[in-house]
Amino acid sequence: NAGVTQTPKFQVLKTGQSMTLQCAQDMNHNSMYWYRQDPGMGLRLIYYSASEGTTDKGEVPNGYNVSRLNKREFSLRLESAAPSQTSVYFCASSEGVTSGGRTQYFGPGTRLTVL
Amino acid sequence: GENVEQHPSTLSVQEGDSAVIKCTYSDSASNYFPWYKQELGKGPQLIIDIRSNVGEKKDQRIAVTLNKTAKHFSLHITETQPEDSAVYFCAAPRPHGSSNTGKLIFGQGTTLQVKP
Repeated sequence: NAGVTQTPKFQVLKTGQSMTLQCAQDMNHNSMYWYRQDPGMGLRLIYYSASEGTTDKGEVPNGYNVSRLNKREFSLRLESAAPSQTSVYFCASSEGVTSGGRTQYFGPGTRLTVL
Repeated sequence: GENVEQHPSTLSVQEGDSAVIKCTYSDSASNYFPWYKQELGKGPQLIIDIRSNVGEKKDQRIAVTLNKTAKHFSLHITETQPEDSAVYFCAAPRPHGSSNTGKLIFGQGTTLQVKP
């Protein structure tokens, strides 16, 4: 199993450009998450999807949108990138609370720079 | 809502010494406390977790202790090795009203350096 995969690994954008970060998991997990990691601030939740067909805002959703395409895939879109969105983005998945699985499994991350 | 504070932000120890990282939380209803290790250039990986019905859990050189009264939990690493050098994060559940959403709130992270 590949676990959680993310593409791309690195990306440089100019202010105002848009892009979509892709995430997929092959563990048949119900829940998926998008985090951003900034120095000294730990991991902050952007959006999450408790199950296929549902999404909800996290701590820092402004400037982002998500799509839970199917049970495997959860994408994060930046419609108009800003320098404040320079960060490392992690996708994670878990079985979901209703299934009794709370451990979150993380992907390798996408390093995004917005100039 | 839940708030998680983690200390220290950096920790340097000699190989073979012990390392302790502490986290405090604010929501007395929290009942699940994982610890993640993040190596350079990689995503966080769960190393140990504890649920609120136990006070201590061990896995080889790693242990986690929980004090529900004081609302804090700690990661203990004994006989540290250079490969233990990484960033460590604690976390606690992020509740939504009375429901358990499965979401976590993370501490700010501790950079552990083990010097050979």
